[in-house]
Amino acid sequence: AQKITQTQPGMFVQEKEAVTLDCTYDTSDQSYGLFWYKQPSSGEMIFLIYQGSYDEQNATEGRYSLNFQKARKSANLVISASQLGDSAMYFCAMREAATGGGNKLTFGTGTQLKVEL
Amino acid sequence: DAMVIQNPRYQVTQFGKPVTLSCSQTLNHNVMYWYQQKSSQAPKLLFHYYDKDFNNEADTPDNFQSRRPNTSFCFLDIRSPGLGDAAMYLCATSRDQGRSQPQHFGDGTRLSIL
Repeated sequence: AQKITQTQPGMFVQEKEAVTLDCTYDTSDQSYGLFWYKQPSSGEMIFLIYQGSYDEQNATEGRYSLNFQKARKSANLVISASQLGDSAMYFCAMREAATGGGNKLTFGTGTQLKVEL
Repeated sequence: DAMVIQNPRYQVTQFGKPVTLSCSQTLNHNVMYWYQQKSSQAPKLLFHYYDKDFNNEADTPDNFQSRRPNTSFCFLDIRSPGLGDAAMYLCATSRDQGRSQPQHFGDGTRLSIL
């Protein structure tokens, strides 16, 4: 079974600074995908960034980048130039094929990020 | 904008009184998912539809059922809600092809049980 571990229940960062949110995973699959989602207090889950296991380069999407270290089984999210609006819960998730088709996501327990002035 | 819409945002029901949550999408995705997220926990998949085919997770209680009358709509029915069913319920959609395809989530329905 796949497992996602996020060891930081809460993180603080000052506005305009960069912050790294940790994610480690465990899987026996050779082909897998890792996603990061942001969940503000209002509840919606917002897709941020994706990294495939065969991707040679680390994924980047605007201020978000993924520090993917396959041998260590880690996929840390880096947010550059933090903004107050970045305050939210962040989930790391792994894709696996769902029975019957589609992809199933297994989520970590999340990291609550608070950006301070 | 194409999106996933959940209604209502907040739902209050009585212990044991059936309740239905709805989800609609304009993305024309063929896979639809229902997740349960309890307070301060990660979302947990309840079941999903691949087209018209229903796929239940092994540990989803029988109290939870779902209907998908067409591509755009999907419903979550809780037959006899208990206090432990109070949670955020998230609907998501995805295309079936492509490993990098993310799931697109709605805003969720927060269910309270009196």
